Amino acid sequence: KQEVTQIPAALSVPEGENLVLNCSFTDSAIYNLQWFRQDPGKGLTSLLLIQSSQREQTSGRLNASLDKSSGRSTLYIAASQPGDSATYLCAVRPLVASKIIFGSGTRLSIRP
Amino acid sequence: DTAVSQTPKYLVTQMGNDKSIKCEQNLGHDTMYWYKQDSKKFLKIMFSYNNKELIINETVPNRFSPKSPDKAHLNLHINSLELGDSAVYFCASSQDRAQNRQGPNTGELFFGEGSRLTVL
Repeated sequence: KQEVTQIPAALSVPEGENLVLNCSFTDSAIYNLQWFRQDPGKGLTSLLLIQSSQREQTSGRLNASLDKSSGRSTLYIAASQPGDSATYLCAVRPLVASKIIFGSGTRLSIRP
Repeated sequence: DTAVSQTPKYLVTQMGNDKSIKCEQNLGHDTMYWYKQDSKKFLKIMFSYNNKELIINETVPNRFSPKSPDKAHLNLHINSLELGDSAVYFCASSQDRAQNRQGPNTGELFFGEGSRLTVL
């Protein structure tokens, strides 16, 4: 059974720092992994999608990596800004089934 | 020009009532989902439809009944509402990888803004 874990649950860093958010999964038979951000009271916004054949994806200051063999993905945020404050969730789509599994999220706070 | 839209955004109702939440996507996707986000912000799949056919039905009380009139719409009807049903319900859609279109973004999930249900 696929399980997705995000540690830490919460993170607070000063503005300008580079930071890494972690996502781990127990079953390496995945189709893709997707990172989202969720602002309070809002829906989920897709940030990056990594297909199983890819190692990383980049969008602006964001870079997501995928290592299937170790069951890990990281989301790297460069030069963090207060506007990056949100909850970041990763989601894993299994290779066989359609049931996408979400991590519990990391609540990120960027201090001005 | 919202991709996945759901209504209503807020719903406050009494225990025992019946209510519906509607969802529509204009992305041309063939798969739609309902997720429930509880007070601890954990997202859990409830249902998934592919081309109007139910493919995922998690352990959800049968008071919850999804209906997909076409592949662009997936509605959620809830009977006899209970206090524990209070949550945010999210609709989502994706283009399933099993279809002919196997582009680089196949399987990417897009969410609506959520419908916050409060049962009093």
